[in-house]
Amino acid sequence: GQQVMQIPQYQHVQEGEDFTTYCNSSTTLSNIQWYKQRPGGHPVFLIQLVKSGEVKKQKRLTFQFGEAKKNSSLHITATQTTDVGTYFCAANNNNDMRFGAGTRLTVKP
Amino acid sequence: NAGVTQTPKFQVLKTGQSMTLQCAQDMNHNSMYWYRQDPGMGLRLIYYSASEGTTDKGEVPNGYNVSRLNKREFSLRLESAAPSQTSVYFCASSRAGPLRGGYTFGSGTRLTVV
Repeated sequence: GQQVMQIPQYQHVQEGEDFTTYCNSSTTLSNIQWYKQRPGGHPVFLIQLVKSGEVKKQKRLTFQFGEAKKNSSLHITATQTTDVGTYFCAANNNNDMRFGAGTRLTVKP
Repeated sequence: NAGVTQTPKFQVLKTGQSMTLQCAQDMNHNSMYWYRQDPGMGLRLIYYSASEGTTDKGEVPNGYNVSRLNKREFSLRLESAAPSQTSVYFCASSRAGPLRGGYTFGSGTRLTVV
């Protein structure tokens, strides 16, 4: 089956610094989704990327899908304390969707 | 409120006991899923139901059974609980599989098997 690697596992930043998490798949993907899970909460869907090279923005969040459709990134500009949580990618290969292990983001005020 | 409702929220079982986790969605979604979440391992699919009347195994189905009771409800049963099944269980639903949009997750069931 496909392997999904997400790095880093943890990231601690000062409020106002930027943050990036990366997701890499061993196979070419149909699409990729990103989720956020607050501490003690449940995953919440953020976005889906479908096209090669696609870039989407949601306020301070920028999502990219690689040209080869094997990798993706989530970048947060000027982090805030409300960004705290774990960010998961979910890599979909023909309806076989696998979640990465997540990147846990903590933000120091 | 619209969404996915899971019960119970917390449960402690003794090894060998059985229980059923309940899940219901009111978004008229076709597909439903059961995941378990363990520290450092993300979410792993146990079983899913692509549509009413069908169920299929996911990555980690051993020790579990499911029932898609109707379009709204999808239950997960542990017949003989083991300590390795200590985890947080999430039910999710989607309109029609991962090719067509994100999943909506329930708030989770924290299960401890002693």
